[in-house]
Amino acid sequence: AQSVTQLGSHVSVSEGALVLLRCNYSSSVPPYLFWYVQYPNQGLQLLLKYTSAATLVKGINGFEAEFKKSETSFHLTKPSAHMSDAAEYFCAVSLYGGATNKLIFGTGTLLAVQP
Amino acid sequence: DAGVTQSPTHLIKTRGQQVTLRCSPKSGHDTVSWYQQALGQGPQFIFQYYEEEERQRGNFPDRFSGHQFPNYSSELNVNALLLGDSALYLCASSPALDRGDPSENEQFFGPGTRLTVL
Repeated sequence: AQSVTQLGSHVSVSEGALVLLRCNYSSSVPPYLFWYVQYPNQGLQLLLKYTSAATLVKGINGFEAEFKKSETSFHLTKPSAHMSDAAEYFCAVSLYGGATNKLIFGTGTLLAVQP
Repeated sequence: DAGVTQSPTHLIKTRGQQVTLRCSPKSGHDTVSWYQQALGQGPQFIFQYYEEEERQRGNFPDRFSGHQFPNYSSELNVNALLLGDSALYLCASSPALDRGDPSENEQFFGPGTRLTVL
């Protein structure tokens, strides 16, 4: 069975500081991995995805993530936080080649950015 | 392109009532998935519809049912509402898996319907 674990339900950083949001996955087959962002009272927006091509994935708004098979991790980073990055972030896994592309989400990490 | 649209935006019901939520997929998409996001939790997969049939179902009781219409829009129905059904219900659309490159098969989410059960 597939699952994702997000370490840290709340992360607080200062504006301009490095953002690191952690995600570990469990999958018996090669996974597709995703990071979504959710602003208050809104739906989910895709930040980036890993689909077995390059292990370092660049997304929107300056975010990137690195797929590390040996560590079963897909951590999200951004070199310099901006106030507008304050939101909730979800890591998700999907089964490659499965009958559906359903997503299995982690419990989310709420990012606060302090001025 | 209007993207994925959902209606209504907010809904308040009482225990035991029934509710219907609606979703229109992004143009060119024919697969619709529904997710439930309880407060403080990640979204959980309810089911997915393709070609007007339920293709896969998550761990939700039969009180949750759905429908897909020939124009690919979809409805989520919940009967005998419980307090625990209060959540944000998200609809996501995508192209059919058997078309195109699987790595490009991305789900696009709508803004959600906030259901409150009193």
